Amino acid sequence: EPEVTQTPSHQVTQMGQEVILRCVPISNHLYFYWYRQILGQKVEFLVSFYNNEISEKSEIFDDQFSVERPDGSNFTLKIRSTKLEDSAMYFCASRANNEQPQHFGDGTRLSIL
Amino acid sequence: AQSVTQPDIHITVSEGASLELRCNYSYGATPYLFWYVQSPGQGLQLLLKYFSGDTLVQGIKGFEAEFKRSQSSFNLRKPSVHWSDAAEYFCAVGSNFGNEKLTFGTGTRLTIIP
Repeated sequence: EPEVTQTPSHQVTQMGQEVILRCVPISNHLYFYWYRQILGQKVEFLVSFYNNEISEKSEIFDDQFSVERPDGSNFTLKIRSTKLEDSAMYFCASRANNEQPQHFGDGTRLSIL
Repeated sequence: AQSVTQPDIHITVSEGASLELRCNYSYGATPYLFWYVQSPGQGLQLLLKYFSGDTLVQGIKGFEAEFKRSQSSFNLRKPSVHWSDAAEYFCAVGSNFGNEKLTFGTGTRLTIIP
C-alpha cells in the first residue's frame, strides 16, 4: 500500500538554526498538510497546500514557517530560525480528493537545543 | 470553530474484554469524522472514517464506530481487545469543504492487561 514517507525520522538542531523537514506524499494525491504534536499534547494543524499554494494556515504557522513543493514528489516544511518551543513531532499528510481521508507519515521528531 | 473532546485520558482493559472510547465533537455542519491510532514512535494510522450514509462504520483491526448526530458523538468500539491494541487513539473532525483540515482530540491512551 502506498505510504507517506518523511525524512529524517529525528532531527536535532541548535536554536536559531534553519531546519527543513521533508515529505514524499502518496503519488496521486493533490492535497498536502503539515501537523505537529508537542510531547504529551494533541495533534495540531499547521498548514494545508493545494494547487501549488497555501490554502489555509493556523496561527501557529507564522512568518518563521514556509512550505514548498519543489518538484512533483516532495513537500517540505522550513522553519527559518528555530525556537525551543518548536520541539515537537511533525507529521506530513496527503489526501487524494474531498472524498478520501488524509494519510499520515510516521513523523519527524524535531529537537531544538 | 470545530472541536473534539475525548473525555478519557487513559483507559485500562483486560485482554479479551470489550472496549468503548468516547468522542464528542462540535461542528457547525455535517462533519467528517475519523479515528486514528498511534503506536509508540509511530505515525497516525487511520482506523475508520464516517463521511455519510450508514451511521455504523466498520474499520480495520475489528474496530467500529457509531455516529450519533443527536449526541454529537462518534464512539469507537471493539468487542474483544488484543494486547496489540495498546496504543493512543485520536478522534478527529474535518469537513467536506476545500482542504479539510483535521481537528484532533487530546487522545485516549489504551493499556491492555493480561
